Amino acid sequence: ELKVEQNPLFLSMQEGKNYTIYCNYSTTSDRLYWYRQDPGKSLESLFVLLSNGAVKQEGRLMASLDTKARLSTLHITAAVHDLSATYFCAVDISIQFYFGTGTSLTVIP
Amino acid sequence: DADVTQTPRNRITKTGKRIMLECSQTKGHDRMYWYRQDPGLGLRLIYYSFDVKDINKGEISDGYSVSRQAQAKFSLSLESAIPNQTALYFCATGGGGYNEQFFGPGTRLTVL
Repeated sequence: ELKVEQNPLFLSMQEGKNYTIYCNYSTTSDRLYWYRQDPGKSLESLFVLLSNGAVKQEGRLMASLDTKARLSTLHITAAVHDLSATYFCAVDISIQFYFGTGTSLTVIP
Repeated sequence: DADVTQTPRNRITKTGKRIMLECSQTKGHDRMYWYRQDPGLGLRLIYYSFDVKDINKGEISDGYSVSRQAQAKFSLSLESAIPNQTALYFCATGGGGYNEQFFGPGTRLTVL
């Protein structure tokens, strides 16, 4: 059974701090995606990671992929309140996406 | 205008009723997907379609059916709704070289 696990599930952090969200998956895949969801809203694509060692950065967020370890990380640098949202990773297996359970991030002033 | 639209956006219905959720897209993608989102469970795939003649069951297809009326339209039906089908339903399209998926705004369905 394919599993995609994120941790932590809930994260409360202070503005200005750094933190990392982890996404582990249980089967081989070279494609991993990160999405953001604001409360009551749809999913917004953040990053597309297509190969081992891929690293993408946008603003205060940086995502990486280690396909050998079956691990992706989403690193948050100097958090600001606007980053409060739920973050999902998704693994592409034969063009089907399998989503993690999400990490609910709250950034506290 | 949004690239992926869903109707209705909210629906309250009763147990045993037939419900159809509709999805339309203007992205020109061949692949379309239906997911449901439940708190603490992330998104789970219900059905997906790679083109008009190709429809496949996802992880949780029991109790649901779909119709791909055209490249741009993909409908999800609940033949006889039950309360545990209360959830947020998302349609998505997939395409391009990166196989990225693009999501509609969601339909909040409540079955009483």
